[in-house]
Amino acid sequence: GENVEQHPSTLSVQEGDSAVIKCTYSDSASNYFPWYKQELGKGPQLIIDIRSNVGEKKDQRIAVTLNKTAKHFSLHITETQPEDSAVYFCAASKGDNFNKFYFGSGTKLNVKP
Amino acid sequence: EPEVTQTPSHQVTQMGQEVILRCVPISNHLYFYWYRQILGQKVEFLVSFYNNEISEKSEIFDDQFSVERPDGSNFTLKIRSTKLEDSAMYFCASSETGIGGETQYFGPGTRLLVL
Repeated sequence: GENVEQHPSTLSVQEGDSAVIKCTYSDSASNYFPWYKQELGKGPQLIIDIRSNVGEKKDQRIAVTLNKTAKHFSLHITETQPEDSAVYFCAASKGDNFNKFYFGSGTKLNVKP
Repeated sequence: EPEVTQTPSHQVTQMGQEVILRCVPISNHLYFYWYRQILGQKVEFLVSFYNNEISEKSEIFDDQFSVERPDGSNFTLKIRSTKLEDSAMYFCASSETGIGGETQYFGPGTRLLVL
């Protein structure tokens, strides 16, 4: 089955700096890659996703890049703010029926004011 | 914005007891999922559900687990005889049509502690 690895497990940055979180996946059939943000006491919230037919997607301060050949994808957050502090999860899906997600282990991002 | 809700937020139970975790998916969604996250581990898929049937289940989802949509709004996960290793955060999720590459929306989770 699919195996998603995520690094780093913790990341501490200064407010205003950029943060990058990386994930690799094992199954070349995976074609949908969402990123979720989980704040304390809340469920994972989708922040951005990318499908395998594109290499990059951007939404304001957040961007995701995908390298299908290398089977890795990354989350980029620019101009970080304290409210970006949370746990971030990457996931992969084959995009077939019923869409089971395979998650990475999570990255705890701490943005220091 | 519509959201998935789950109750209770926390549940403490004795080993061997039955628990029912409840979820209310987003109202126009047709596909429902349960995931769990043991402390310090990855979020793991348990089961997907569509049209009152299980669509897919993982090896974790053994005979002790069952899911049900008892009415038009609720989606439940029942653990018949809880074990210590069932202690985890359980997340419910829903998606609109279940087609490939579709976003799943997650609830806030139920933290289950089995003593």
